[in-house]
Amino acid sequence: GAVVSQHPSRVICKSGTSVKIECRSLDFQATTMFWYRQFPKQSLMLMATSNEGSKATYEQGVEKDKFLINHASLTLSTLTVTSAHPEDSSFYICSARGGSNRFDEQYFGPGTRLTVT
Amino acid sequence: AQKVTQAQTEISVVEKEDVTLDCVYETRDTTYYLFWYKQPPSGELVFLIRRNSFDEQNEISGRYSWNFQKSTSSFNFTITASQVVDSAVYFCALSDAPRDDKIIFGKGTRLHILP
Repeated sequence: GAVVSQHPSRVICKSGTSVKIECRSLDFQATTMFWYRQFPKQSLMLMATSNEGSKATYEQGVEKDKFLINHASLTLSTLTVTSAHPEDSSFYICSARGGSNRFDEQYFGPGTRLTVT
Repeated sequence: AQKVTQAQTEISVVEKEDVTLDCVYETRDTTYYLFWYKQPPSGELVFLIRRNSFDEQNEISGRYSWNFQKSTSSFNFTITASQVVDSAVYFCALSDAPRDDKIIFGKGTRLHILP
């Protein structure tokens, strides 16, 4: 099946700094990528949808100025958490859709665990 | 509105027992997808199944089986002869593909298989 990678797998940063998380589709081109957030012992919540070459669409309640998403190529999307605070500590998971059709499957990355101290 | 309900927050069974994880969904669309994912302690989501709303046939894959019933809006997952390695959080999820790309996840069921 299709492979999606995330880097880094774990990151610890100090409060007030920014951190960038990469999501790559390794063996397919992804026109659409998705970013999810999962707090401890909770479900996954969609944060935003990004299409290659256009601005991301954010879910209600997600601050677009805080969570910057860039989808500059068909194989790479990045999520930058700006001015991170301890409440941003979470597990961030990306997924990539392997085609332009909404019926195409989404493939999930392994996740990035962010800890803000 | 789309919604996925997994009423069982946590289940513990002894190894080799069968266990069923319940999933009830709500959607206004006639075309949709249902999913089950496994999330072991490592955190990585493991895809188990995707079922189209037009396909109500039950599915069996090894020790795993799924029962899809549109009449009750349920998509239950059964593990037969459970093993310790089955211990994980299991998520049921829904996607209204024609309308939206979103995958809506249930809250998950934490499954403990006791040796």
